[in-house]
Amino acid sequence: GAVVSQHPSWVICKSGTSVKIECRSLDFQATTMFWYRQFPKQSLMLMATSNEGSKATYEQGVEKDKFLINHASLTLSTLTVTSAHPEDSSFYICSARVSMSLSGRFNEQYFGPGTRLTVT
Amino acid sequence: KQEVTQIPAALSVPEGENLVLNCSFTDSAIYNLQWFRQDPGKGLTSLLLIQSSQREQTSGRLNASLDKSSGRSTLYIAASQPGDSATYLCAPDADKLIFGTGTRLQVFP
Repeated sequence: GAVVSQHPSWVICKSGTSVKIECRSLDFQATTMFWYRQFPKQSLMLMATSNEGSKATYEQGVEKDKFLINHASLTLSTLTVTSAHPEDSSFYICSARVSMSLSGRFNEQYFGPGTRLTVT
Repeated sequence: KQEVTQIPAALSVPEGENLVLNCSFTDSAIYNLQWFRQDPGKGLTSLLLIQSSQREQTSGRLNASLDKSSGRSTLYIAASQPGDSATYLCAPDADKLIFGTGTRLQVFP
């Protein structure tokens, strides 16, 4: 159980176009999902917190108009990179949090496999 | 603002050694702390989660301890194997996970 999927797993797009990445919790409902970005040889940096039915909360320095997050249901959150530029090329990872996991742990997060974005 | 530091940044050892990976964090008001493993170019694999009320968790050859008051966690890897080679990340959770800088581990035969 507790599987999170991301689609696509990798994408190449041209500069100036927009790219949408989906994050789904397959066998559980998640009121809160998170989006992270990871540049080569660096750790994960939290971009935003996404709550179902409300606006996302962005971390300092992350442009909300560039990285559009929609959390329309308890199992799906999407990240749209608008007007992508080469510097947006990165590994994007989402996670979904459950208040109580099947193993009885509080606030456990489950991570998707990541999406590698390359902007040419 | 939570800041997380992991020491050492990199480690290269022969197989069979017992290892200690350290994590320190500045904000001790956390719900839990998770340890993850990341293979090159891949996503995260959750290894252990320690609730704030717990002192340690064990899974196979892995043991993680947590001293919340001092802002420290330690991951012990017993009898290391080449398959343990990866980057290990710790992440305390105070409403959101903040990741450490990671320890890049290489275990050679």
